[in-house]
Amino acid sequence: QQQVKQSPQSLIVQKGGISIINCAYENTAFDYFPWYQQFPGKGPALLIAIRPDVSEKKEGRFTISFNKSAKQFSLHIMDSQPGDSATYFCAASKGGNFNKFYFGSGTKLNVKP
Amino acid sequence: ETGVTQTPRHLVMGMTNKKSLKCEQHLGHNAMYWYKQSAKKPLELMFVYNFKEQTENNSVPSRFSPECPNSSHLFLHLHTLQPEDSALYLCASSQEGGVIGYTFGSGTRLTVV
Repeated sequence: QQQVKQSPQSLIVQKGGISIINCAYENTAFDYFPWYQQFPGKGPALLIAIRPDVSEKKEGRFTISFNKSAKQFSLHIMDSQPGDSATYFCAASKGGNFNKFYFGSGTKLNVKP
Repeated sequence: ETGVTQTPRHLVMGMTNKKSLKCEQHLGHNAMYWYKQSAKKPLELMFVYNFKEQTENNSVPSRFSPECPNSSHLFLHLHTLQPEDSALYLCASSQEGGVIGYTFGSGTRLTVV
């Protein structure tokens, strides 16, 4: 059973547009939700993360929106750039167990110039 | 060298071969992990080591054998693999009680023929 479900599988956005990637989870014990960015030939790198005590976190052009009641969270990339083209993974961990993350299946983002 | 270094970057092996993947972290972290990344699937946690001790084996077949001689080095010994084991194998490290999140290596692309 997949603990974190991610959509869409792939996304094409024009330069300057908004990219939105969604994740949903079932386990209410999850209390930490990071997003990772992976470029071809590289390992995933931590992009931004949120805890469920806030509904939104913004870092530059990247924003996480969190809906605790719906058990959903999403990544918004404002003013998307070709350099943002990568695969994005959401993840979740529970109860302070930062040794175990449950990952979504990834979204391949292509930002067209 | 900084970060997490994995060698080799690419490996092609026959089903009867024995090979090893190596991971080295230069971050002073005390936890290390092996993940398997297959196309269009979530990252799969394979093994977790905390302070050199294995704390998790996520039902991984015995043809994968991890070794952690110290907090900076992690190996994955491979023998009699199957073609379905072809994937990107990622090593990661983190600091227990420190900054939350993994630092991933760039991975070893394994092809079993």
